[in-house]
Amino acid sequence: QVQLQESGPGLVKPSQTLSLTCTVSGGSIISADYFWNWIRQPAGKGLEWIGRIYSNGRVDYAPSLKSRATISVDTSTNQFSLRLDSVTAADTAVYWCASRISSRGAFDHWGPGAQVTVSS
Amino acid sequence: QSALTQPASVSGSPGQSITISCTAASGDIYEFEYVSWYQRHPGKAPKLIIYQVYKRPSGVSSRFTGSRSGMRASLTISGLQADDEADYFCCSHTSLSTYVFGTGTKVTVL
Repeated sequence: QVQLQESGPGLVKPSQTLSLTCTVSGGSIISADYFWNWIRQPAGKGLEWIGRIYSNGRVDYAPSLKSRATISVDTSTNQFSLRLDSVTAADTAVYWCASRISSRGAFDHWGPGAQVTVSS
Repeated sequence: QSALTQPASVSGSPGQSITISCTAASGDIYEFEYVSWYQRHPGKAPKLIIYQVYKRPSGVSSRFTGSRSGMRASLTISGLQADDEADYFCCSHTSLSTYVFGTGTKVTVL
């Protein structure tokens, strides 16, 4: 069973870069069966898909975040990461990493989530 | 890409059935054959309860059923229980290789 765990700073200053890492266990990040995703939810608002990366390096982003987001994978550590540049208070949210298995087309495993606050 | 529209809140008494709708404003890009539903309790990660419109992952109660009619998907919870009180989100894959979530529905068990 795939398990995911987010890690990274909980506080980021405005205009700086938010960086989060997701450690995958119970499965290989190079598996052709999975896409690896980042999803967030600001307080009081809905879920927002940020982007995904596939084992072959293919990356897709939400149009609204494409200019600021970068998702990468480190196969040596079985981790994938999110960088979000030029953050503002609107980027304050709980961030999750989640796996999507190709056969289901849905986010079947999620990390516990990481609260990130953008504030000076 | 606009969020999928869900009712803000739905309530019901224990034992009753409730239905949550999920509607796309424009159907051109949404691939509704890949609609999924997630349950989120406060402070917890979302949990997949329905995928590909009506399929349930192992371990999810049969009280949760999904359906679809055109560009409108629905989640029905039958035999409502106290633990069903949570937020529910639908999600659709798009032809642009992105995902869009619904606006979310708060379910209250009276």
